[in-house]
Amino acid sequence: AQSVTQLDSHVSVSEGTPVLLRCNYSSSYSPSLFWYVQHPNKGLQLLLKYTSAATLVKGINGFEAEFKKSETSFHLTKPSAHMSDAAEYFCVVSARSQAGTALIFGKGTTLSVSS
Amino acid sequence: EPEVTQTPSHQVTQMGQEVILRCVPISNHLYFYWYRQILGQKVEFLVSFYNNEISEKSEIFDDQFSVERPDGSNFTLKIRSTKLEDSAMYFCASSETSGTYNEQFFGPGTRLTVL
Repeated sequence: AQSVTQLDSHVSVSEGTPVLLRCNYSSSYSPSLFWYVQHPNKGLQLLLKYTSAATLVKGINGFEAEFKKSETSFHLTKPSAHMSDAAEYFCVVSARSQAGTALIFGKGTTLSVSS
Repeated sequence: EPEVTQTPSHQVTQMGQEVILRCVPISNHLYFYWYRQILGQKVEFLVSFYNNEISEKSEIFDDQFSVERPDGSNFTLKIRSTKLEDSAMYFCASSETSGTYNEQFFGPGTRLTVL
């Protein structure tokens, strides 16, 4: 069965410093991985997705993630945090089933950005 | 930009009452989903729906839950007899296609409180 583990429940950074949100996955085959973000009172928005085409995936708002099979990791990074990046971030894997549709979420990481 | 909408944003109900949560998916999407997040826990898949029938459901989605697409725009989740443990944030999502790489677009959620 597939699963994801987000290693930090809360990350605090200063504006302009790098962001690292950690995610490890477990899957018996090549996974489909996503990062979603949720701003207060907003829906979950897709930041980026890994589909095996490239191990370094670039997403919206300057975020990127690198798929490392040897480490079973899919960490989310951004070189320079902005105040507007403060939100809840979810690492997600797509479950493989007949319908292939269910998404399996990590517990989420709250990113705080201070000025 | 098209988005998934959900109503109401917050629903309070008494235990044992029926509730209907409403969602309007993105208009050209064909696949619809419900997820829930109990406070402090992971976002969990409930059910997926395509071509007017359930395509996949989780073990959470028992007989007290049902889904319906009553017209060309709405997608509803009904809980027949609410329990205290049904208190959660319920997210609706839709996608253009199915499969492991498909992007699911999420609504802002309905917070259900069962007293």
